[in-house]
Amino acid sequence: GQQLNQSPQSMFIQEGEDVSMNCTSSSIFNTWLWYKQDPGEGPVLLIALYKAGELTSNGRLTAQFGITRKDSFLNISASIPSDVGIYFCAGLGGSQGNLIFGKGTKLSVKP
Amino acid sequence: GAVVSQHPSRVICKSGTSVKIECRSLDFQATTMFWYRQFPKQSLMLMATSNEGSKATYEQGVEKDKFLINHASLTLSTLTVTSAHPEDSSFYICSAQGGTQQPQHFGDGTRLSIL
Repeated sequence: GQQLNQSPQSMFIQEGEDVSMNCTSSSIFNTWLWYKQDPGEGPVLLIALYKAGELTSNGRLTAQFGITRKDSFLNISASIPSDVGIYFCAGLGGSQGNLIFGKGTKLSVKP
Repeated sequence: GAVVSQHPSRVICKSGTSVKIECRSLDFQATTMFWYRQFPKQSLMLMATSNEGSKATYEQGVEKDKFLINHASLTLSTLTVTSAHPEDSSFYICSAQGGTQQPQHFGDGTRLSIL
Protein backbone atom coordinates (compact mmCIF):
# COMPACT_ATOMS: atom_id res chain seq x y z
CA GLY A 1 0.00 0.00 0.00
CA GLN A 2 0.91 3.65 -0.07
CA GLN A 3 3.41 4.77 2.53
CA LEU A 4 5.14 7.99 3.38
CA ASN A 5 8.66 7.97 4.79
CA GLN A 6 9.19 11.02 6.94
CA SER A 7 12.54 12.08 8.35
CA PRO A 8 14.04 12.86 10.68
CA GLN A 9 12.04 11.17 13.39
CA SER A 10 13.02 13.82 15.91
CA MET A 11 15.10 16.97 16.07
CA PHE A 12 16.62 18.93 18.94
CA ILE A 13 17.63 22.43 17.94
CA GLN A 14 18.56 25.76 19.43
CA GLU A 15 16.18 28.67 19.21
CA GLY A 16 16.92 30.72 16.12
CA GLU A 17 18.15 27.80 14.04
CA ASP A 18 16.57 26.77 10.77
CA VAL A 19 14.87 23.36 10.49
CA SER A 20 14.28 21.09 7.55
CA MET A 21 12.27 17.88 7.36
CA ASN A 22 11.12 15.83 4.42
CA CYS A 23 8.83 13.12 3.20
CA THR A 24 9.19 10.65 0.38
CA SER A 25 6.85 8.15 -1.13
CA SER A 26 6.91 5.37 -3.66
CA SER A 27 3.52 6.56 -4.90
CA ILE A 28 2.40 9.74 -6.58
CA PHE A 29 0.06 12.05 -4.70
CA ASN A 30 -1.96 14.89 -6.18
CA THR A 31 -1.83 16.91 -2.99
CA TRP A 32 0.69 17.09 -0.17
CA LEU A 33 -0.15 18.56 3.18
CA TRP A 34 1.91 19.53 6.20
CA TYR A 35 0.31 19.52 9.64
CA LYS A 36 1.52 20.40 13.12
CA GLN A 37 0.17 18.66 16.19
CA ASP A 38 0.58 19.98 19.72
CA PRO A 39 0.20 17.55 22.65
CA GLY A 40 -3.41 16.66 23.36
CA GLU A 41 -4.73 18.48 20.31
CA GLY A 42 -5.68 17.68 16.76
CA PRO A 43 -3.36 18.40 13.81
CA VAL A 44 -3.47 21.90 12.38
CA LEU A 45 -2.95 22.45 8.68
CA LEU A 46 0.19 24.47 7.95
CA ILE A 47 0.64 24.29 4.20
CA ALA A 48 -1.14 22.59 1.30
CA LEU A 49 0.66 21.85 -1.96
CA TYR A 50 -1.28 21.09 -5.13
CA LYS A 51 1.12 21.42 -8.07
CA ALA A 52 4.34 19.55 -8.81
CA GLY A 53 7.28 21.81 -8.10
CA GLU A 54 5.14 24.23 -6.13
CA LEU A 55 6.94 26.25 -3.47
CA THR A 56 4.67 27.79 -0.85
CA SER A 57 5.37 29.88 2.23
CA ASN A 58 3.37 30.54 5.37
CA GLY A 59 5.25 33.00 7.54
CA ARG A 60 8.50 31.34 8.59
CA LEU A 61 7.43 28.05 7.02
CA THR A 62 8.26 27.06 3.47
CA ALA A 63 7.28 23.83 1.78
CA GLN A 64 7.87 22.46 -1.68
CA PHE A 65 6.11 19.75 -3.63
CA GLY A 66 8.61 17.61 -5.50
CA ILE A 67 8.55 17.66 -9.28
CA THR A 68 7.85 13.92 -9.36
CA ARG A 69 4.97 14.30 -6.87
CA LYS A 70 6.67 11.73 -4.69
CA ASP A 71 8.35 13.95 -2.15
CA SER A 72 8.09 17.18 -0.21
CA PHE A 73 10.10 19.16 2.30
CA LEU A 74 9.17 21.61 5.01
CA ASN A 75 11.56 24.29 6.23
CA ILE A 76 11.14 26.41 9.34
CA SER A 77 13.34 29.45 9.56
CA ALA A 78 14.51 31.14 12.77
CA SER A 79 12.82 28.64 15.06
CA ILE A 80 11.12 29.81 18.24
CA PRO A 81 9.98 27.83 21.32
CA SER A 82 6.36 27.68 20.14
CA ASP A 83 7.48 25.71 17.08
CA VAL A 84 7.76 22.71 19.39
CA GLY A 85 5.44 19.91 18.38
CA ILE A 86 5.06 17.02 15.98
CA TYR A 87 5.01 17.77 12.29
CA PHE A 88 3.26 15.37 9.94
CA CYS A 89 3.37 15.20 6.20
CA ALA A 90 0.34 13.72 4.50
CA GLY A 91 -0.47 12.72 0.97
CA LEU A 92 -3.99 13.03 -0.30
CA GLY A 93 -5.02 10.02 -2.33
CA GLY A 94 -7.75 7.56 -3.04
CA SER A 95 -11.22 8.12 -4.40
CA GLN A 96 -12.56 9.24 -1.00
CA GLY A 97 -9.77 11.70 -0.36
CA ASN A 98 -8.07 9.61 2.31
CA LEU A 99 -4.91 10.96 3.88
CA ILE A 100 -1.76 8.87 4.09
CA PHE A 101 0.34 10.16 6.97
CA GLY A 102 4.03 10.10 7.60
CA LYS A 103 5.12 8.99 11.06
CA GLY A 104 5.88 12.50 12.15
CA THR A 105 8.90 14.58 13.11
CA LYS A 106 9.08 15.62 16.73
CA LEU A 107 10.67 19.04 17.04
CA SER A 108 12.18 20.27 20.29
CA VAL A 109 13.49 23.84 20.52
CA LYS A 110 15.87 24.86 23.26
CA PRO A 111 15.53 28.51 24.30
CA GLY B 1 -12.13 29.52 8.16
CA ALA B 2 -12.32 25.70 8.11
CA VAL B 3 -13.04 25.20 11.79
CA VAL B 4 -13.90 21.75 13.09
CA SER B 5 -15.30 21.37 16.58
CA GLN B 6 -15.03 18.07 18.42
CA HIS B 7 -16.84 17.36 21.67
CA PRO B 8 -16.23 16.28 24.36
CA SER B 9 -12.52 16.89 24.71
CA ARG B 10 -12.15 14.36 27.48
CA VAL B 11 -14.23 11.47 28.78
CA ILE B 12 -13.60 9.24 31.76
CA CYS B 13 -16.12 6.48 32.31
CA LYS B 14 -16.62 2.98 33.60
CA SER B 15 -16.18 -0.14 31.56
CA GLY B 16 -19.34 -1.11 29.71
CA THR B 17 -20.46 2.45 29.09
CA SER B 18 -21.21 3.69 25.60
CA VAL B 19 -19.63 7.00 24.67
CA LYS B 20 -20.68 9.37 21.90
CA ILE B 21 -18.25 11.83 20.32
CA GLU B 22 -19.48 14.64 18.08
CA CYS B 23 -17.64 16.26 15.22
CA ARG B 24 -18.97 19.44 13.62
CA SER B 25 -17.72 21.54 10.76
CA LEU B 26 -18.59 25.07 11.84
CA ASP B 27 -18.04 27.19 8.76
CA PHE B 28 -18.13 24.80 5.82
CA GLN B 29 -20.06 21.82 4.59
CA ALA B 30 -18.19 18.58 4.92
CA THR B 31 -18.96 16.06 2.22
CA THR B 32 -16.76 13.58 4.01
CA MET B 33 -15.71 13.14 7.61
CA PHE B 34 -13.03 10.86 8.92
CA TRP B 35 -12.43 9.27 12.31
CA TYR B 36 -8.94 8.50 13.53
CA ARG B 37 -7.41 6.89 16.56
CA GLN B 38 -3.99 7.88 17.82
CA PHE B 39 -1.84 5.95 20.25
CA PRO B 40 0.91 7.71 22.22
CA LYS B 41 3.89 8.76 20.13
CA GLN B 42 2.34 7.39 16.96
CA SER B 43 0.76 8.81 13.87
CA LEU B 44 -2.97 8.94 13.24
CA MET B 45 -4.64 5.68 12.31
CA LEU B 46 -7.72 5.96 10.12
CA MET B 47 -10.69 4.08 11.54
CA ALA B 48 -13.47 4.96 9.14
CA THR B 49 -14.64 7.32 6.45
CA SER B 50 -18.18 8.63 6.39
CA ASN B 51 -20.16 10.47 3.77
CA GLU B 52 -23.34 12.31 4.59
CA GLY B 53 -26.38 10.11 4.27
CA SER B 54 -24.55 6.86 3.61
CA LYS B 55 -22.96 4.08 5.62
CA ALA B 56 -19.44 4.56 6.84
CA THR B 57 -16.53 2.70 5.29
CA TYR B 58 -14.44 1.03 7.96
CA GLU B 59 -10.77 0.22 7.74
CA GLN B 60 -9.64 -3.35 8.06
CA GLY B 61 -9.63 -4.51 11.66
CA VAL B 62 -12.06 -1.85 12.91
CA GLU B 63 -15.28 -3.35 14.26
CA LYS B 64 -18.26 -1.51 12.81
CA ASP B 65 -20.55 -2.76 15.55
CA LYS B 66 -18.15 -1.49 18.17
CA PHE B 67 -17.57 1.93 16.63
CA LEU B 68 -20.89 3.24 15.34
CA ILE B 69 -20.67 6.19 12.98
CA ASN B 70 -23.54 8.42 11.99
CA HIS B 71 -23.20 11.24 9.47
CA ALA B 72 -26.65 12.74 9.50
CA SER B 73 -25.85 16.11 7.96
CA LEU B 74 -23.14 17.93 6.05
CA THR B 75 -21.90 19.48 9.28
CA LEU B 76 -22.20 16.71 11.86
CA SER B 77 -20.80 13.24 12.32
CA THR B 78 -20.85 11.19 15.49
CA LEU B 79 -18.77 8.26 16.68
CA THR B 80 -20.23 6.04 19.38
CA VAL B 81 -17.94 3.65 21.16
CA THR B 82 -20.32 0.96 22.35
CA SER B 83 -19.75 -0.98 25.56
CA ALA B 84 -16.33 0.58 25.96
CA HIS B 85 -13.56 -1.38 27.66
CA PRO B 86 -10.14 -0.28 28.93
CA GLU B 87 -8.47 -1.31 25.66
CA ASP B 88 -10.64 1.28 23.90
CA SER B 89 -8.92 4.04 25.84
CA SER B 90 -7.21 6.27 23.31
CA PHE B 91 -7.15 9.66 21.63
CA TYR B 92 -9.88 9.89 18.99
CA ILE B 93 -9.71 12.62 16.35
CA CYS B 94 -12.17 13.55 13.65
CA SER B 95 -11.56 15.49 10.48
CA ALA B 96 -13.81 17.09 7.89
CA GLN B 97 -13.27 17.66 4.22
CA GLY B 98 -15.14 19.99 1.90
CA GLY B 99 -14.32 18.01 -1.25
CA THR B 100 -12.37 14.88 -2.17
CA GLN B 101 -9.25 16.80 -3.15
CA GLN B 102 -9.50 19.35 -0.37
CA PRO B 103 -7.36 19.24 2.79
CA GLN B 104 -8.82 17.61 5.86
CA HIS B 105 -9.34 19.89 8.82
CA PHE B 106 -9.12 18.30 12.23
CA GLY B 107 -10.97 18.63 15.49
CA ASP B 108 -9.05 18.95 18.74
CA GLY B 109 -9.54 15.31 19.63
CA THR B 110 -11.22 13.42 22.44
CA ARG B 111 -9.21 11.72 25.13
CA LEU B 112 -11.19 8.63 26.12
CA SER B 113 -10.27 6.86 29.35
CA ILE B 114 -12.16 3.71 30.33
CA LEU B 115 -11.71 2.59 33.91
